[in-house]
Amino acid sequence: GDSVTQMEGPVTLSEEAFLTINCTYTATGYPSLFWYVQYPGEGLQLLLKATKADDKGSNKGFEATYRKETTSFHLEKGSVQVSDSAVYFCALIKAAGNKLTFGGGTRVLVKP
Amino acid sequence: GAVVSQHPSWVICKSGTSVKIECRSLDFQATTMFWYRQFPKQSLMLMATSNEGSKATYEQGVEKDKFLINHASLTLSTLTVTSAHPEDSSFYICSAAGQGGEKLFFGSGTQLSVL
Repeated sequence: GDSVTQMEGPVTLSEEAFLTINCTYTATGYPSLFWYVQYPGEGLQLLLKATKADDKGSNKGFEATYRKETTSFHLEKGSVQVSDSAVYFCALIKAAGNKLTFGGGTRVLVKP
Repeated sequence: GAVVSQHPSWVICKSGTSVKIECRSLDFQATTMFWYRQFPKQSLMLMATSNEGSKATYEQGVEKDKFLINHASLTLSTLTVTSAHPEDSSFYICSAAGQGGEKLFFGSGTQLSVL
């Protein structure tokens, strides 16, 4: 079946540091890939997405590129802020339907 | 953006009791709602998919008599954990999809602790 694997946290960084969260997936066909973020006390919010190979999703300074050859969708941000402290989930969805398959989530803590 | 309200955000109950979790779409009609659970340090696992007015579709391994899902209206779905036991302690989160299903919106989750 489909699966998403992302690096375990917590990831602790200083403000303005570079952030990378690795995500790889296993799926048949051509899934769409997503990064969701959950801030403390809030629901998951869509951060960015990519629907086909080589697409780059970007939002709020975060980027991720859909790499079919390596089945990866790593999340990056060049300079993190304290407000980026959250749990980040990588996910995929098949072309048909809305069934998301999630990775385990990575908690990121940015210290001032 | 669209808002999904999930209530309660946390609940502690005694073993053998039942707990109801509500998921409401506040500003759109949710034709489909999804219920997930997450164990510590593990992925969000889809439990069931519910469509308004019809029976929920449960994922393999999820007991439908244990986790009762009702999606009686286009704005409300409920998950009832019946005769809860400590192993049911988990983080439960709902999501809702509007017509067309192009976007999913998530509730803030419910942390259930069964003593």
